[in-house]
Amino acid sequence: AQKITQTQPGMFVQEKEAVTLDCTYDTSDPSYGLFWYKQPSSGEMIFLIYQGSYDQQNATEGRYSLNFQKARKSANLVISASQLGDSAMYFCAMREATQGGSEKLVFGKGTKLTVNP
Amino acid sequence: NAGVTQTPKFRILKIGQSMTLQCAQDMNHNYMYWYRQDPGMGLKLIYYSVGAGITDKGEVPNGYNVSRSTTEDFPLRLELAAPSQTSVYFCASSYPQLPYEQYFGPGTRLTVT
Repeated sequence: AQKITQTQPGMFVQEKEAVTLDCTYDTSDPSYGLFWYKQPSSGEMIFLIYQGSYDQQNATEGRYSLNFQKARKSANLVISASQLGDSAMYFCAMREATQGGSEKLVFGKGTKLTVNP
Repeated sequence: NAGVTQTPKFRILKIGQSMTLQCAQDMNHNYMYWYRQDPGMGLKLIYYSVGAGITDKGEVPNGYNVSRSTTEDFPLRLELAAPSQTSVYFCASSYPQLPYEQYFGPGTRLTVT
C-alpha cells in the first residue's frame, strides 16, 4: 500500500490565485513528519515546509502553508498568490524511522503545477 | 558552504559497464542518503548511512553498492549497468535530529544503453 498518496497528477492555477495540492499519508507510528519539496524543471529538490505530527499549529513559510488534518491523515500544501515561478513538480514526503536508526523519506509521485499568466 | 555536491551531472553508460557516482557534503551531517527518481515518479531510497563505516539498504538496493569511509563522502557504485538503472540519482544529507530535513544535491542523470 502506498504510504504517501498525491491524487492530482497535474494542477493549473491562474497567477495571483491560491492553489491547494493534496497529500494523504498512511502510518501507524505516532511520531512522524511531513515535508513538501519543490522540483523545478532544472531538477533540484527544494525544501518548502515541514509539519511534525505533534505540532499543534499548521506550519507556514511565507506563501506556503500546510493544512494538516491529523485525523484524516492529510497534509495539503496551500500556495497563496501564485507566481509564474511556482510552476514545478511538488512532492509530499513522510519521514519514517529506518531499521538502522536513522530517518528516511518516503515520497509521493508528485503533482505538476502550472501557473498561467 | 557548498552544501551537497554530486559528480558527474550527466553520464551515458553501456550495458555491463561500471561507474561510481560521487557525493560529498560539507555540513558535517551524520546521515546521508542515495535516492533514484524514475521518470514521472517520486524518489526511492537506494542506500543510506548513519555515519562513517555504517551503511544500510533502502527500498531498491539491487545493483548498487555504497561505502562511507568519511563523514563527508558517500559514493554510490553501479556494477554491471543495466537499462533499468537509467534514472536521475540524488544524494542527500541531514542532521540526526528533528526535523531531519534532508538537503539534496543537484542530481546525476544517468542513461544506460
